[in-house]
Amino acid sequence: GNSVTQMEGPVTLSEEAFLTINCTYTATGYPSLFWYVQYPGEGLQLLLKATKADDKGSNKGFEATYRKETTSFHLEKGSVQVSDSAVYFCALRRWRLSDRKGGSQGNLIFGKGTKLSVKP
Amino acid sequence: EAQVTQNPRYLITVTGKKLTVTCSQNMNHEYMSWYRQDPGLGLRQIYYSMNVEVTDKGDVPEGYKVSRKEKRNFPLILESPSPNQTSLYFCASRILSGNIGELFFGEGSRLTVL
Repeated sequence: GNSVTQMEGPVTLSEEAFLTINCTYTATGYPSLFWYVQYPGEGLQLLLKATKADDKGSNKGFEATYRKETTSFHLEKGSVQVSDSAVYFCALRRWRLSDRKGGSQGNLIFGKGTKLSVKP
Repeated sequence: EAQVTQNPRYLITVTGKKLTVTCSQNMNHEYMSWYRQDPGLGLRQIYYSMNVEVTDKGDVPEGYKVSRKEKRNFPLILESPSPNQTSLYFCASRILSGNIGELFFGEGSRLTVL
């Protein structure tokens, strides 16, 4: 079935360090891929997304590339800040044939989340 | 301001005492969903709704009910709460058309069942 696996946390980095959070997926068809971020005490919010192979999503200095050959969507940032401390969730939306008609009925499937702590 | 509003944000209750967590969105979204978040398990979907009067089970629906009588509201009902329903609950919504619709989340409702 469809699933998302992301690296276990917590991840602790010093400010300005390079960040990679691994995410791999299993899916039938052509899923869309997402990274959501949850800051302390808040709900999740979309960080970036990619809809097809080789697409690169980017936002706030974060990037992730949709790699179909390795079924991966790893999150990267070149220089993290203390304000990036949060829980990061990789997610996929199942794609179904009916989606071609414009109505997406796909539910999001989330990974378990990776907690990132950035120290000054 | 576009938002998803949940109430209450925090609740402590006892086993068997019925409770309702309300969810309201002001973005005219067709799709709404409830998730629970537990340590080590991530987010798991409880129920979702494609539109008014259309609801369906997610991955962990046991012990929960929902209703969708109005487009903006999607309450989560726990008829007889049990301690294993102690969790952090999130409501979310998005537009239905297209495959890229961003899911907007509420701030969460932390429920403790004693």
